[in-house]
Amino acid sequence: EVQLVESGGGLVQPGRSLRLSCAASGFRFDDYAMHWVRQAPGKGLEWVSGLNWNSDSIGYADSVKGRFTISRDNAVNSLYLQMNSLRVEDMALYYCVKGFRRWLQSPNSFDSWGQGTLVAVSS
Amino acid sequence: QSVLTQPPSASGTPGQRVTISCSGSSSNIGSNTVNWYQQLPGAAPKLLIYNNDQRPSGVPGRFSGSKSGTSASLAISGLQSEDEADYYCAGWDDRLKGWVFGGGTKLTVL
Repeated sequence: EVQLVESGGGLVQPGRSLRLSCAASGFRFDDYAMHWVRQAPGKGLEWVSGLNWNSDSIGYADSVKGRFTISRDNAVNSLYLQMNSLRVEDMALYYCVKGFRRWLQSPNSFDSWGQGTLVAVSS
Repeated sequence: QSVLTQPPSASGTPGQRVTISCSGSSSNIGSNTVNWYQQLPGAAPKLLIYNNDQRPSGVPGRFSGSKSGTSASLAISGLQSEDEADYYCAGWDDRLKGWVFGGGTKLTVL
């Protein structure tokens, strides 16, 4: 059974940094693309960032480009999101998501989701 | 403002058939496949339809997807109370070089 467990969320002041982690199990981690998708309170889903199986193809939403960095460590089955210069509008539940295939782009889908870790940004 | 456009709400009575639309452009739906996700209240999203019209194992046959040009649709037949949820379409956008979602449709079973 696929399991994705996020950690690292919390309350942070605007302008500060936070690092999210996702521990994956139940599948061959290095065979699939991975993503971060967020959901602000009471709002819809927004793709934040993703990378392919070996990290040589990476993408970011325009809203986080230059501030967030996604990475993975296939040796320990983990996905990360380094978030710098956090803004109030980054406040959301951040989901770790498994891709259906190895590559970043279509054809593909998000076939397993974690329960999310909450990031609150406030002074 | 979402790149993909969905109606904010939809409704139906038990047993009815409802459809949810998703409108995009040539850079996303027009040139790539569409996926649909179901988010039950208080839960993480779940993949419902992939590659326009394919159902993952475990998804009931009552759910079906289709695509034509720059639009896609999700149809739910034999509506049940447990179908009450938010539904999102999504796809890759070649111009943005990223994944985009619709704003979501809240389905109410009356």
